[in-house]
Amino acid sequence: AQSVTQLGSHVSVSEGALVLLRCNYSSSVPPYLFWYVQYPNQGLQLLLKYTTGATLVKGINGFEAEFKKSETSFHLTKPSAHMSDAAEYFCAGPPLNAGGTSYGKLTFGQGTILTVHP
Amino acid sequence: GAVVSQHPSWVICKSGTSVKIECRSLDFQATTMFWYRQFPKQSLMLMATSNEGSKATYEQGVEKDKFLINHASLTLSTLTVTSAHPEDSSFYICSGGRVHEQFFGPGTRLTVL
Repeated sequence: AQSVTQLGSHVSVSEGALVLLRCNYSSSVPPYLFWYVQYPNQGLQLLLKYTTGATLVKGINGFEAEFKKSETSFHLTKPSAHMSDAAEYFCAGPPLNAGGTSYGKLTFGQGTILTVHP
Repeated sequence: GAVVSQHPSWVICKSGTSVKIECRSLDFQATTMFWYRQFPKQSLMLMATSNEGSKATYEQGVEKDKFLINHASLTLSTLTVTSAHPEDSSFYICSGGRVHEQFFGPGTRLTVL
């Protein structure tokens, strides 16, 4: 079983349109989750994270995500897409067998490629 | 955020040779680092946990004798792909940091001919 699951391997939006990338997590996962962005042939850049406290998390580049326990979701949104947002996005969380803190070990969703067209 | 570097950024080698990839934490000490592998058009998969001063912990299905990990200092972990074969061609990424914030290296593209 996956710790986190991303729905939709490809999302295409027009420039200026709303971006919505979906992520659901296993309810047995310790409640800290991340969104990363990856540009071609590069490493990962942290967009935002949820650990504790406010469930609406704001990140870099205008992205935000809301942790919804009732829906076991952590969807990523951005009100207005820019061409520079075209990249692959990964939702990540601790493995199902993480136990305590897991020391930073992460399991990743399948990834969603975001395409932004003019 | 903290910086993690990897060297080399890309490497091409012949089948049967060994390749060493370095992962360095530039501005923090990392007692634990992680190695991931990413095949084309796929997600990152954790290979192993690198522990400073002790043996690495490998994920199920990862051959420890093929992927040798050494974490001899608080700022350096190395991954050696021994007797590399074309199926080992992949993007290798390391990370280090804290429980709630991991910093990723830029990755190393390995191509085995």
